[in-house]
Amino acid sequence: GENVEQHPSTLSVQEGDSAVIKCTYSDSASNYFPWYKQELGKRPQLIIDIRSNVGEKKDQRIAVTLNKTAKHFSLHITETQPEDSAVYFCAASPSGAGSYQLTFGKGTKLSVIP
Amino acid sequence: DADVTQTPRNRITKTGKRIMLECSQTKGHDRMYWYRQDPGLGLRLIYYSFDVKDINKGEISDGYSVSRQAQAKFSLSLESAIPNQTALYFCATSGVGSNVLTFGAGSRLTVL
Repeated sequence: GENVEQHPSTLSVQEGDSAVIKCTYSDSASNYFPWYKQELGKRPQLIIDIRSNVGEKKDQRIAVTLNKTAKHFSLHITETQPEDSAVYFCAASPSGAGSYQLTFGKGTKLSVIP
Repeated sequence: DADVTQTPRNRITKTGKRIMLECSQTKGHDRMYWYRQDPGLGLRLIYYSFDVKDINKGEISDGYSVSRQAQAKFSLSLESAIPNQTALYFCATSGVGSNVLTFGAGSRLTVL
């Protein structure tokens, strides 16, 4: 099955700096890569996703890049703010019959220091 | 988000007891999922269901069972709870043609 590795497990940045979280996946058939944000005590919520036919996607201060050849994708947060502090999960989903089975990474705890 | 409701939100039980966690949704989604979250281990899929007659095992189904009573209801059962099933359990839904998951608020289970 799919295996998703996520790094780093914890990340501290100064407010205003950028943060980058990286994930690798094992199944070359995976074609959907979402990122979920989980604030303390809250449920995970989708913040951005990308499909394998796109190399990069942006939404205001967040962006995701995908390198299919290397089988890795990254989340970029620019101009970080204290409200960006949360646990971020990457995930991958294969195509075909398993297309709705997301395999999640273990998460990255991002702390933005004011 | 009241669209996906989980009950109970917190439960403490003893080893060997039977526990049921319930999930109901008003989003009209066909697909429902149960995930388990442990610190440092991310979210792992226990079971998923694409409709009332379709139940599938996920990555970590051993020790768990599910029931899809209706399109809007999906329950998770631990027939004989053990301490290593102490975790935060999330129900999630997704609509036809969409990979986007909508999570419930979570059910924190402690097995003593």
